Amino acid sequence: QVTLKESGPGMLQPSKTLSLTCSFSGFSLSTSGMVVSWIRQPSGKSLEWLAAIDWDGDKYYNPSLKSRLTVSKDTSNTQVFLKITSVDIADTATYYCARRRAADWYFDFWGPGTMVTVSS
Amino acid sequence: EIVLTQSPTTMAASPGEKVTLTCRASSSVSYMHWYQQKSGASPKLWIYDTSNRASGVPNRFSGSGSGTSYSLTISSMETEDAATYYCQQWSSNPLTFGSGTKLEIK
Repeated sequence: QVTLKESGPGMLQPSKTLSLTCSFSGFSLSTSGMVVSWIRQPSGKSLEWLAAIDWDGDKYYNPSLKSRLTVSKDTSNTQVFLKITSVDIADTATYYCARRRAADWYFDFWGPGTMVTVSS
Repeated sequence: EIVLTQSPTTMAASPGEKVTLTCRASSSVSYMHWYQQKSGASPKLWIYDTSNRASGVPNRFSGSGSGTSYSLTISSMETEDAATYYCQQWSSNPLTFGSGTKLEIK
């Protein structure tokens, strides 16, 4: 079955770079049509799509955050990474990774999320 | 960017009551998708492509709509349906989510 799990630092200071990992099983990012996205949710607020990477290595970013985001994947195609530079308090949120099939425009599987707090 | 406005923001329904949640888009979209999120958990795909129930979703849930107006309906509210529901579009980049409707049991 498809599972995803996010991991991150838990807490970091403002101006630092946030590094997140999404580890997944039940599918491979080398399979045509597979896409993994990052989505975040501040506590008590709605969801914000951040970035995505597909089976072909093509990368997609939310224009509002593009300058600060870098998405990548590992060579085994079982992990996806997200880096966010120059974090501030507004980046405090739960970060999710989610799977999408390229032919679909919704997310069918989500990880449980990892909470990140930006604080000095 | 397409803005999705959900209404109501919060509502409470009694068991057995019919419930309708609305999502309005700032521009026309081709499809709407819905997620259910319970407290402390990640969102779950609930309705996709406007009217298709995701795997395991009870048939008391239905989705409909077109253009700029979409809805999710529960024919008969049950206790387990209490959650926050989000709509999502990707007819236009970037994909966006609605602000959510928190549905409580009365």
